[in-house]
This record gives sequence, structure tokens and C-alpha cells, in this order.
Amino acid sequence: GQNIDQPTEMTATEGAIVQINCTYQTSGFNGLFWYQQHAGEAPTFLSYNVLDGLEEKGRFSSFLSRSKGYSYLLLKELQMKDSASYLCAVRPHNTDKLIFGTGTRLQVFP
Amino acid sequence: SAVISQKPSRDICQRGTSLTIQCQVDSQVTMMFWYRQQPGQSLTLIATANQGSEATYESGFVIDKFPISRPNLTFSTLTVSNMSPEDSSIYLCSVEVWTGDTEAFFGQGTRLTVV
Repeated sequence: GQNIDQPTEMTATEGAIVQINCTYQTSGFNGLFWYQQHAGEAPTFLSYNVLDGLEEKGRFSSFLSRSKGYSYLLLKELQMKDSASYLCAVRPHNTDKLIFGTGTRLQVFP
Repeated sequence: SAVISQKPSRDICQRGTSLTIQCQVDSQVTMMFWYRQQPGQSLTLIATANQGSEATYESGFVIDKFPISRPNLTFSTLTVSNMSPEDSSIYLCSVEVWTGDTEAFFGQGTRLTVV
């Protein structure tokens, strides 16, 4: 079956660094995505990993280890506006669809 | 990138009725995806809509309940039929576009409440 696990909730302090983990078990692998979703809004794309290693985009970085079925999203210099849900999604092999994890709700406190 | 216009943005419907949600994209795309997001939960794929062929439904979703149209490469509709309160949810359409990465873009969603 397909299974993607993320922590349900996390809290952090403004200016700090937070790492959101995602583990997956899918029928093959053809890419992993991270999305940000503010309450009441549509998800917005953050990052895409298909090869092992770290992808950096400004304050956000995403890491992938295919052999371990593991990814993390790293958020640096946290801001209040980073309070949102962060969704991990995997594209299994030979398909165009995405399987989403349950999402991690991050709250940033002053 | 892709800009997706989805409507209605929200609706309150009586049980037993049907609602059709429209999704318009500003560029031609091969596949369009319809998701459901129940309160406090993540996205669940309902079906994939290809132009010129029948939609492909995920386990737990059937065409009679969620008929989909895809008349051209920029437009799709999802109908929620014979609604019950359990259908209260946010429905989102999505497309994927190559921007250097393969990015999925989402419509703003339709917040449906069935009473």
C-alpha cells in the first residue's frame, strides 16, 4: 500500500530553525514534493526532490534519501507568517498522481 | 506557471441535490486532478481527468457520485451528486506544469457545506 507519515503538529519560536520530517512507503518513487497551506487557502508549491540530497531555496531547504524513504523540510529564520500546514506528497512510479501525507501544522510563536 | 480559476468558492447546499464545480486554467494541460480535503485533513485524490477520455477514479470514488467532464485542455468540471452532509469538504482542482521543477498548481478550492 501507500503510506506517508508526518508529525501532526509542531511549534517553534520566531527566528529559530525547524525541521519537518516525512517518511514514505509507496509503490515505486518518482519525486517528492513539499507544499505550504495557510488556513482556508490552497496549497502552494515549496520544493521538489527526485534525487538524493539537499535542495535549497532561500529560507527553505528540502532533503531526500530514497534508500531510507525519508525527506525533511528545513525552515530557517522562522517568521510568524510561516505558521501554516506543510504537506509532504510523493509521486509513485509510473503515475502522474500525488499521494499526500496528513500534513504538519506548524505554529510559530513570538 | 499556471493560474487556475475555480468556482464557486463556496456553497451551502441541501442534501439530495447536486453541485457542479468548474475549473479553468490559463494554459493547456494534459491532465487535471480533483482532490477533496476534509476539515483538518490532508488532500485525497478523487480522480484524474484527461481530455477526450473518461476520468480515472481512485479507490472509494465512483463516477456516479462524482461525474467529471473534460471537454478541452483548459477546462474541467466535477459534480458532487446526491449530496449528504458527509460530502461537506473543500474540493480542489490541480494541474502540473514544468517550471524547471514539476510544480503542481491548485485552484483556490470550493468550500462545500451540505445541510
